[in-house]
Amino acid sequence: QVQLQQSGPGLVKPSQTLSLTCAISGDSVSSNSAAWNWIRQSPSRGLEWLGRTYYRSKWYNEYAVSVKSRITINPDTSKNQFSLQLNSVTPEDTAVYYCARDFYTSGWYSVDPWGQGTLVTVSS
Amino acid sequence: QTVVTQEPSLTVSPGGTVTLTCASSTGAVTSSFYPNWFQQIPGQAPRALIYSTSKKHSWTPARFSGSLLGGKAALTLSGVQPEDEAEYYCLLYYGGAWVFGGGTKLTVL
Repeated sequence: QVQLQQSGPGLVKPSQTLSLTCAISGDSVSSNSAAWNWIRQSPSRGLEWLGRTYYRSKWYNEYAVSVKSRITINPDTSKNQFSLQLNSVTPEDTAVYYCARDFYTSGWYSVDPWGQGTLVTVSS
Repeated sequence: QTVVTQEPSLTVSPGGTVTLTCASSTGAVTSSFYPNWFQQIPGQAPRALIYSTSKKHSWTPARFSGSLLGGKAALTLSGVQPEDEAEYYCLLYYGGAWVFGGGTKLTVL
C-alpha cells in the first residue's frame, strides 16, 4: 500500500520560498511507472496542478504554466521522497498543498494516493 | 490556457440518479485524456473514485460509474445516498500536464 507523508512549514513570509517534502512508502521515487505530483487548493483557484517529477531512464520535470518561472520539484532517491520549492511567494500562494502519485500502466492512468495536505499561509 | 468545465452545482433526491460532466475547452474529451474523478468532503483530501474514464478503485462504491458522454467525461451516481453529498472534481491529462475541473457541489435533498 502506497502512502505519502507531507512535511514542511505552515507559514511563509511574502517574497520568500515555500518548501515542502513528501515522503513515499510502498513505492519508489525512481519507479518507471509513477510520477510524483504537487497540487494545491484554495477557495479562489480551486484545485490546481502545479507540476511533477518522474524517472524514465533519466529524470524529467513538468510544470504548470502558471508557476513555471517559480517552481522546482526535486526527487531525493536517498530518502525516497520528493520536494516542492515555490519562490517569491505572495498571499495568492496561500493554499492547502497536496502531493500525489500518478501511475501509468497497461494503458491506464490513476492519480492516487494523495498526501494528507499542508495548509501554507503566506503572511508577514 | 486550457479550461476544464464542470457543473457548479447539482441537486439529487436520495435514491435518485445524477450525472456529472467534465468538458474540455480544447474539444471532445476522449479516453486519451484519462479522466479521473475525485470526491471531496469538506476538511478532507480528495478521494479517488474513478480513473481512466471508467475504472473503479477497490474502495469505490458500485453506485459510482464513469463514462464518456457526448464529448465529455461523465460520472454517474445511481441510487444516491445521503453520504454522497460532497464536491466532485474531474481531472484530465493533456500530455505532460494535468488540469482539474472547477468542481461540482452535489446536494442530496
